[in-house]
Amino acid sequence: QQQVKQSPQSLIVQKGGISIINCAYENTAFDYFPWYQQFPGKGPALLIAIRPDVSEKKEGRFTISFNKSAKQFSLHIMDSQPGDSATYFCAASKSGGYNKLIFGAGTRLAVHP
Amino acid sequence: DAGITQSPRYKITETGRQVTLMCHQTWSHSYMFWYRQDLGHGLRLIYYSAAADITDKGEVPDGYVVSRSKTENFPLTLESATRSQTSVYFCASSELGGGRETQYFGPGTRLLVL
Repeated sequence: QQQVKQSPQSLIVQKGGISIINCAYENTAFDYFPWYQQFPGKGPALLIAIRPDVSEKKEGRFTISFNKSAKQFSLHIMDSQPGDSATYFCAASKSGGYNKLIFGAGTRLAVHP
Repeated sequence: DAGITQSPRYKITETGRQVTLMCHQTWSHSYMFWYRQDLGHGLRLIYYSAAADITDKGEVPDGYVVSRSKTENFPLTLESATRSQTSVYFCASSELGGGRETQYFGPGTRLLVL
């Protein structure tokens, strides 16, 4: 059972364009939604995260938009650069005690110069 | 070097052999995790550990064994490797175990089971 559904599986964007990756979750108890970035041959690394008490969080060119009623959240990469080419994973978890991260299937982003 | 390391980085083995993947972290993080990464499945949790001598199953534990005798080490053993265990394995750690803790990942081990 896939509790976090991520789309698209792959994405090609021109340099300077906007990359958008979407995720949907099922468990309404989730209250933490991080995005991890993974470069080829490396392990994933936390990029940005949001909690459901805000609808948007921005860090530089990266923005998370969160829609609690729709149970959806998305990552927007503004002014996409070739250096952003990587695989992006959304994830969700619950706070309190140990609650594991549930990852989406990943989106492979290629930014062409 | 400080951080989280995995060894070996690449491993080829045969069906039925025992394989141990090593993970070492220098931060003294309480929690450690093993994930496998497969195309179309993202990262799936195999086992995790809350502290030395405390381990628990994740989403896909069958065929794997873990131990944690020291805080800094968390080896993963495939007791009798199968082709379906061909994957990229990532170890991760976090300072605490709360759902909002950042997990820090190692560089991964690529395992091929023939």
